[in-house]
Amino acid sequence: KQEVTQIPAALSVPEGENLVLNCSFTDSAIYNLQWFRQDPGKGLTSLLLIQSSQREQTSGRLNASLDKSSGRSTLYIAASQPGDSATYLCAVETSGSRLTFGEGTQLTVNP
Amino acid sequence: GAVVSQHPSWVICKSGTSVKIECRSLDFQATTMFWYRQFPKQSLMLMATSNEGSKATYEQGVEKDKFLINHASLTLSTLTVTSAHPEDSSFYICSAPPETRGGYEQYFGPGTRLTVT
Repeated sequence: KQEVTQIPAALSVPEGENLVLNCSFTDSAIYNLQWFRQDPGKGLTSLLLIQSSQREQTSGRLNASLDKSSGRSTLYIAASQPGDSATYLCAVETSGSRLTFGEGTQLTVNP
Repeated sequence: GAVVSQHPSWVICKSGTSVKIECRSLDFQATTMFWYRQFPKQSLMLMATSNEGSKATYEQGVEKDKFLINHASLTLSTLTVTSAHPEDSSFYICSAPPETRGGYEQYFGPGTRLTVT
């Protein structure tokens, strides 16, 4: 059974700091890995998707990497802003388009 | 990008009543849709896979007689919470996989917040 773990569970940083969120998964047989953002009481916003054959994806200040063999992914956020405050979820897609989510990292960026 | 809608966005109901939540794909056909549940401060947990024209597949521990899923058309899946209890209060989110495989993110609905009093 696929299990996804995210570290840290919560993170508080001053504005402008670069930060890394970690995600690990137990079964390397994945189709892709996605990072999502969730604001309180809201749905999911897709940030980045990395296919199993890819090593990284970038979008603006966000960079996500994937090491499939070791079952790890990182989300790097450069020059963090208060508007980045949210919960960040990673999810891996396995057979049948099923997504398994991690518990999330709650990020707070202080002005 | 493709859009998935959910209705209602929030609902309050009394214990013992039933509530229906709709999930629609607005500009694409979805033969499969997924239903997730998210309790406060927790992550999303897959409840069931909704298959158009056939029975839904439920995850272990999810009561199929309590959470009725109907996927009668290629654009609509419904989740009915029957005889709701306060412990069913949660955030319910549906998603639909892309029409073609290969690197495209799934499309998520905005979620439905259910409160059972």
